Amino acid sequence: GENVGLHLPTLSVQEGDNSIINCAYSNSASDYFIWYKQESGKGPQFIIDIRSNMDKRQGQRVTVLLNKTVKHLSLQIAATQPGDSAVYFCAENAGGTSYGKLTFGQGTILTVHP
Amino acid sequence: GAVVSQHPSRVICKSGTSVKIECRSLDFQATTMFWYRQFPKQSLMLMATSNEGSKATYEQGVEKDKFLINHASLTLSTLTVTSAHPEDSSFYICSARGRGEYGYTFGSGTRLTVV
Repeated sequence: GENVGLHLPTLSVQEGDNSIINCAYSNSASDYFIWYKQESGKGPQFIIDIRSNMDKRQGQRVTVLLNKTVKHLSLQIAATQPGDSAVYFCAENAGGTSYGKLTFGQGTILTVHP
Repeated sequence: GAVVSQHPSRVICKSGTSVKIECRSLDFQATTMFWYRQFPKQSLMLMATSNEGSKATYEQGVEKDKFLINHASLTLSTLTVTSAHPEDSSFYICSARGRGEYGYTFGSGTRLTVV
């Protein structure tokens, strides 16, 4: 395919800036979305989730926005810190016959400079 | 919160041997477990889904005879990579989901290196 993950999108920010990470999903039947943070050599860590009946959800320093019209998801991190440096993945619950399975996006590498 | 323990974290094995990876849910009953594989700088790719007491459902292109999955209890699932070859070297991650739950809890992953 066009993207085999060898060139993950990258985002570099300064400590204290706000970060926005974007994700496009393809399955209009998906009804549950999750953002994960993955540090090197570790499993994915849950950040925040949102169901398809919502368009915004806020957590501590993080906000997820869902636009079902264009099948787009974003993660906003406020006052980004060096400890936020990691790879961020969006994941969708495919619904339908695939109910329960998560499909992961390609990931975005976030680097926070002190 | 829910915790999934995955062992071993790292394993090196010789080509042709088999390796077993364990995934345990510590404080909840995992009615469904998922196994993923992740190559360097790539996303997680689902290999198979297993429900307790049932045969695993494998994704297209994943050899069920090579990647044996057992989910014999509500707290334990195992993935056995049989006759491992260097191309099987990867990061394997499990996740578990409880009955009626929306959330997925991930293990810490296993780095498999086949030499």
